[in-house]
Amino acid sequence: DTAVSQTPKYLVTQMGNDKSIKCEQNLGHDTMYWYKQDSKKFLKIMFSYNNKELIINETVPNRFSPKSPDKAHLNLHINSLELGDSAVYFCASIAGGGGAFFGQGTRLTVV
Amino acid sequence: AQSVTQLGSHVSVSEGALVLLRCNYSSSVPPYLFWYVQYPNQGLQLLLKYTSAATLVKGINGFEAEFKKSETSFHLTKPSAHMSDAAEYFCAVTPGGGATNKLIFGTGTLLAVQP
Repeated sequence: DTAVSQTPKYLVTQMGNDKSIKCEQNLGHDTMYWYKQDSKKFLKIMFSYNNKELIINETVPNRFSPKSPDKAHLNLHINSLELGDSAVYFCASIAGGGGAFFGQGTRLTVV
Repeated sequence: AQSVTQLGSHVSVSEGALVLLRCNYSSSVPPYLFWYVQYPNQGLQLLLKYTSAATLVKGINGFEAEFKKSETSFHLTKPSAHMSDAAEYFCAVTPGGGATNKLIFGTGTLLAVQP
């Protein structure tokens, strides 16, 4: 039973399109994150939600809009996709005391 | 502000040799420190964590790390490398144990294991 699951695993789309990535965790954690991993494997934090409330927004373009319908879900919607958005996006769920549990990632390719 | 620096973006060892991956941290408050491993096309998996208890931390797959405050280091070691250890390794820091604290990653070290 997957602790943090993301869908889809791969996403190929054209510039200008709008797409969403879904994330669900069954660990009962209150805090979830979105990270972006670029081609050099650098992991950059994008957003963090705690119990459905946004607590961290790392100056991400407003084309990116996270939505948390409940504390087990944190979805990422991206408008007007650009070539530079191509990356692997990871969802993570974090427990108090540290330690993040990551999803398998969504590889987004914008063509 | 917190940060971690991983020295060496690529490390190559022979199978059976000692693995040493270096991580230095910067934190204005007592940090929690982590090592994660990422296998190709997969997510990150927690190897071990330091949460202000014992300074020598043992993790999965035979890895361990020692927190040295005087050196602001948290290096990852394994006595004998296996081929299956080949992966990307990330050091990470967060200020204290709150889940809402930012988890900041280093730039990663790619470990290659030669037969």
